[in-house]
Formats: sequence, C-alpha cells, structure tokens
Amino acid sequence: SQTIHQWPATLVQPVGSPLSLECTVEGTSNPNLYWYRQAAGRGLQLLFYSVGIGQISSEVPQNLSASRPQDRQFILSSKKLLLSDSGFYLCASRGRVDTQYFGPGTRLTVL
Amino acid sequence: GQSLEQPSEVTAVEGAIVQINCTYQTSGFYGLSWYQQHDGGAPTFLSYNALDGLEETGRFSSFLSRSDSYGYLLLQELQMKDSASYFCAVITDYKLSFGAGTTVTVRA
Repeated sequence: SQTIHQWPATLVQPVGSPLSLECTVEGTSNPNLYWYRQAAGRGLQLLFYSVGIGQISSEVPQNLSASRPQDRQFILSSKKLLLSDSGFYLCASRGRVDTQYFGPGTRLTVL
Repeated sequence: GQSLEQPSEVTAVEGAIVQINCTYQTSGFYGLSWYQQHDGGAPTFLSYNALDGLEETGRFSSFLSRSDSYGYLLLQELQMKDSASYFCAVITDYKLSFGAGTTVTVRA
C-alpha cells in the first residue's frame, strides 16, 4: 500500500507571508495526487489535483497554487497568505479506483 | 458539479446500530465511497460501492442504489472508538467529491 508524507504537522503564519507545503508519496508510481482543505467541523474541499508531472488542475479559484516537480512530489504554495487560508490541508494519492490514501495533514493557522 | 447530502449528527449508545444516509447528484458517476475521520486525524477509507447492493466489511456495511442516487453506511455493534466523522464521497473520473460529513457520537 501507499504511504503519504506531509510536513510540517502544524504551522502558524502571519497574514501576507508565503507558504510552501510539501507532500511525497511512497509505494506507487505515477499516482494521481490531490490537495484538499478542511475547515473546522466541515467537509473536504478539493483544491488541486494532478495526473502527472507538471499537470495541475485547479478546482477552486483562490490564493493558492500547486506544482508537481517530480512524479511523487506535490507542493502547495501561496505568495501571500490570507486569514481565510487557515485550515487543515490534506494531501492524498489515488489507489485503486475506489480508494484514496491521505497523508497526516498540516494544520495551518494564519494570524 | 456534484452535491451530496448527509445528516450532520447522530448519537447512539454502545452496542446500537446506526445508519448514515447519503443522497447525491452528480455526472459521470463511478461509485460511492465512505471514509472515517477521527478528531484531528486524516480520513481513512472504509468501503466502496460501484454496483447496487450491500457490501459488508466486519461491523460496517455500505449500500448503494444507483437508480435512487442513494446510499448508506451501517455501523453495527457500536463501540466507543466508532465516535468519529463519516463522509460519503462520489467517485468521478479523476477525483472524489465529499459530503459535509456526519458526526457520530457513541455514548456509554
């Protein structure tokens, strides 16, 4: 099975600062990769997905961007964080058609 | 786009049975999945239905009716550790779209 690594686990950043969250995947090759955001007590909102190196699809217009420089690396970035960017960010990799494996997540607080 | 409806909260006692319903509207439907998320943790896969009918995995079962755009997750012999949020998700070509989640609280 796959293993998803994310870091850091928690992050506190001031408004206007940049952001870079990294996700790496083990145990598979050429995975479909996903970034989700979850607000407190809410469901998962799909932000970006990627079916291959350099291929990024954005689901929601926002202050964030994503990149996939290597097959098993997915990066979420922002040039200037907003208060509304606070949340729990989860990276996921698609297994068989019926499953997604999630990383442990990064809890971001923007102050 | 996709939309999913599921109840926001369910409370039950240990040993009871809980059914979480999920109705959906979507295009390009491949199947319905269920995920469990404990407070502060990441979601974990529970079950998947691509065809109509019941899928059983231990104490948990999931059902799908494609004609009714409806499914449910059945939690049997509830245990305290089952207190968590449960999400239904529709599977389309490349991605999953999640419902808002149902918080299940198990009381002693």
